[in-house]
Amino acid sequence: NAGVTQTPKFQVLKTGQSMTLQCAQDMNHNSMYWYRQDPGMGLRLIYYSASEGTTDKGEVPNGYNVSRLNKREFSLRLESAAPSQTSVYFCASSVLRGKDEKLFFGSGTQLSVL
Amino acid sequence: SQKIEQNSEALNIQEGKTATLTCNYTNYSPAYLQWYRQDPGRGPVFLLLIRENEKEKRKERLKVTFDTTLKQSLFHITASQPADSATYLCALEGANQGGKLIFGQGTELSVKP
Repeated sequence: NAGVTQTPKFQVLKTGQSMTLQCAQDMNHNSMYWYRQDPGMGLRLIYYSASEGTTDKGEVPNGYNVSRLNKREFSLRLESAAPSQTSVYFCASSVLRGKDEKLFFGSGTQLSVL
Repeated sequence: SQKIEQNSEALNIQEGKTATLTCNYTNYSPAYLQWYRQDPGRGPVFLLLIRENEKEKRKERLKVTFDTTLKQSLFHITASQPADSATYLCALEGANQGGKLIFGQGTELSVKP
């Protein structure tokens, strides 16, 4: 089992460019999440998908869109990247949301927007 | 406003000693609290979960306490080892947040041989 796999690991974008971060899990989990981590800020939830076919905004959704492609895959899209979106992005999954389930995280994508 | 606070200053201790990390929260009534470990360049890894009706939970050299009156959780690592050096994050379910997990900013622990 690979767990949660994120691609790419590193990315540099110019302001205004777009890109999609990919995430896949092989644990048959129902819920998936996208977080960003900035120094001194902790992990902040961008979007989540409680189950296949549903997505909801988290704490900091502006500038992002998501797609729950199927039960395994949850992608995060930046339509027009801004320097404020420079961060480390983590995808996570859990069996069920809101049922005191632990999260399983991917290894992260380090994104720089110039 | 709702807030989770962990010591922002790194904790430096000697190998073999007990490390104690603190997680304080305000304006939450969490049903449970979780602790994660994060190594540089990696994603967080789940360590322990403690529920509001549990005072203490142990797993090998790890111990977590949860005081809902003080609104505080303490995370202890006994007989610490250099391999325990990492950043430790606490997370709790936000009140009226539908199960959304809110993370503290983490405390970096460094265990010196």
